[in-house]
Amino acid sequence: GENVEQHPSTLSVQEGDSAVIKCTYSDSASNYFPWYKQELGKGPQLIIDIRSNVGEKKDQRIAVTLNKTAKHFSLHITETQPEDSAVYFCAARGRRDDKIIFGKGTRLHILP
Amino acid sequence: EPEVTQTPSHQVTQMGQEVILRCVPISNHLYFYWYRQILGQKVEFLVSFYNNEISEKSEIFDDQFSVERPDGSNFTLKIRSTKLEDSAMYFCASSETRLTYEQYFGPGTRLTVT
Repeated sequence: GENVEQHPSTLSVQEGDSAVIKCTYSDSASNYFPWYKQELGKGPQLIIDIRSNVGEKKDQRIAVTLNKTAKHFSLHITETQPEDSAVYFCAARGRRDDKIIFGKGTRLHILP
Repeated sequence: EPEVTQTPSHQVTQMGQEVILRCVPISNHLYFYWYRQILGQKVEFLVSFYNNEISEKSEIFDDQFSVERPDGSNFTLKIRSTKLEDSAMYFCASSETRLTYEQYFGPGTRLTVT
């Protein structure tokens, strides 16, 4: 079955700098890659997603890239702000699956 | 903005007891899911539900678990005889259709089995 690996597990960046979180997946049939943000005491919130027919997608300060050949995908946050501090999860889903397979998460700290 | 809600936020139960976790999915959504997250581990898929039937389930979702949509708004997860290892955060999610990939998660229920 699908396996999603995510790194780093913890990331600290200075406010205003960029943050990059990287994930790999194992199943070439996966075709949907969402990113979730989880704040303390809350459920995962979908912040951006990308499908396998697209290489890059951007939404304001957040961008995702997908390399299908290498089975890599990444989340880029530019001009980080204190409210970006949270746990971020990458995930993958296959075309014929209902389930989303999650990575282990990255705890992002934005330093003042 | 519509959101998934879950009750209770925290449930403490004794080993062997039955628990029911409740969810209200987003109103026009047709696909419903349960996931769980054991402390410090990945969010794991348990089950998906569509048209009053289980669509897909994981190996975690054994005979101790069941799901139900008892009315037009609620979606429940029942654990028949809880074990210590069932202690986790349980998240409900919903999506508009199966073809709509986006799944929206509720805030979770923390289940503590003592």
